[in-house]
Amino acid sequence: QSALTQPRSVSGSPGQSVTISCTGTSSNVGGYNYLSWYQQHPGKAPKLIIYDVTKRPSGVPDRFSGSKSGSTASLTISGLQAEDEADYYCCSYAGDYSLLFGGGTKLTVL
Amino acid sequence: QVQLVQSGAEVKKPGDSVKVSCKVFGYTFTGYYMHWVRQAPGQGLEWMGWIDPNTGDTKYIEKFKGRVTMTRDTSISTAYMELTSLSSDDTATYHCARGFGGTAGLRNDIWGQGTVLTVSS
Repeated sequence: QSALTQPRSVSGSPGQSVTISCTGTSSNVGGYNYLSWYQQHPGKAPKLIIYDVTKRPSGVPDRFSGSKSGSTASLTISGLQAEDEADYYCCSYAGDYSLLFGGGTKLTVL
Repeated sequence: QVQLVQSGAEVKKPGDSVKVSCKVFGYTFTGYYMHWVRQAPGQGLEWMGWIDPNTGDTKYIEKFKGRVTMTRDTSISTAYMELTSLSSDDTATYHCARGFGGTAGLRNDIWGQGTVLTVSS
């Protein structure tokens, strides 16, 4: 399967909100609620920040929120902070116990 | 402390094989699936498959079938990912990641630090 579609880059100023989209098909994003988001700083391992579309793991600020409509999921970061500058990846269940990542989005905090 | 500690960087020649290890600390090894994800330099994340450490059952994506083998040794709480017939396209950082929540553990909450594999003649 082809990677889920994410914008290559987004940007925002401190304090603003940004939204990153993740578009798939009915065979993945649109068909299931197993949709996760990962944050990755340069040279570091990915970190889970959203799972099951809207849930946040313990310790993840509530500035991070997730949603889904049809075959497009979204990650919204409100009150943007400098440390939010990173790459963000969505990941969906794609059936048959397999996962599929998005291509990744680079977030720049201006 | 819950963590996954991976083996060190590897340099291989085309046609070689590599076996990366991922040792579990701080939780019951057989209680969670273990996934493997790779990332080529400057590229995105690519999911490779998983192993159920409890049963040894595995799932690989079609792209890697025939070249990848995921195994485990429960006596030392360690998972392994072996990749054969290496080419330069396999140059990447390989991560293990714990999967939680139901069959196949479809959410990855704990990640290893990554093992850098370089394939070059």
